[in-house]
Amino acid sequence: GENVEQHPSTLSVQEGDSAVIKCTYSDSASNYFPWYKQELGKGPQLIIDIRSNVGEKKDQRIAVTLNKTAKHFSLHITETQPEDSAVYFCAASKDSNYQLIWGAGTKLIIKP
Amino acid sequence: DAGITQSPRYKITETGRQVTLMCHQTWSHSYMFWYRQDLGHGLRLIYYSAAADITDKGEVPDGYVVSRSKTENFPLTLESATRSQTSVYFCASTSSGVSDTQYFGPGTRLTVL
Repeated sequence: GENVEQHPSTLSVQEGDSAVIKCTYSDSASNYFPWYKQELGKGPQLIIDIRSNVGEKKDQRIAVTLNKTAKHFSLHITETQPEDSAVYFCAASKDSNYQLIWGAGTKLIIKP
Repeated sequence: DAGITQSPRYKITETGRQVTLMCHQTWSHSYMFWYRQDLGHGLRLIYYSAAADITDKGEVPDGYVVSRSKTENFPLTLESATRSQTSVYFCASTSSGVSDTQYFGPGTRLTVL
């Protein structure tokens, strides 16, 4: 079945710098790749997603890129701010399966 | 209040006891999901439901039972709790399937002694 690997497990960056989190997936049939942000004590919240017919998607300071050939996708956060500190999860799914397969998460720490 | 709620937020129980975690959403979303979250594993799907009276197993269903008699409610029951079921449980819902935004509840932290 599908497997999603996420790196790094912890990422510490200086406020104002960029952060990049990477995920790889195993099932070439996967076609939907969301990213969720989880703040302490809360449930995950969707921040951006991308489908396999698109290579890149941006939303203000957040962008996601997808490389279908290499089967990996990445989350890019520019001009990081203290409120970006959280755990970020990537996930993958395909139309024929109702399951989202999740990465293990990345704890992002923004240093002042 | 509109949204998705879970109760209780915290629960301590003993091995062998039956426990039911409640999930309620006010959007009339068709799809609902139960996940467990453990360190190093991300979120793992326990059960999901595509509509009232339609449920199916996820990745880790053993030891859990679900029902969905009404669209807005999706309770999760641990029939005989074990220590390995100590976890944080999240309920989620979405209107049109897995390839759509999933809205998560605040979670229930369950400890099995």
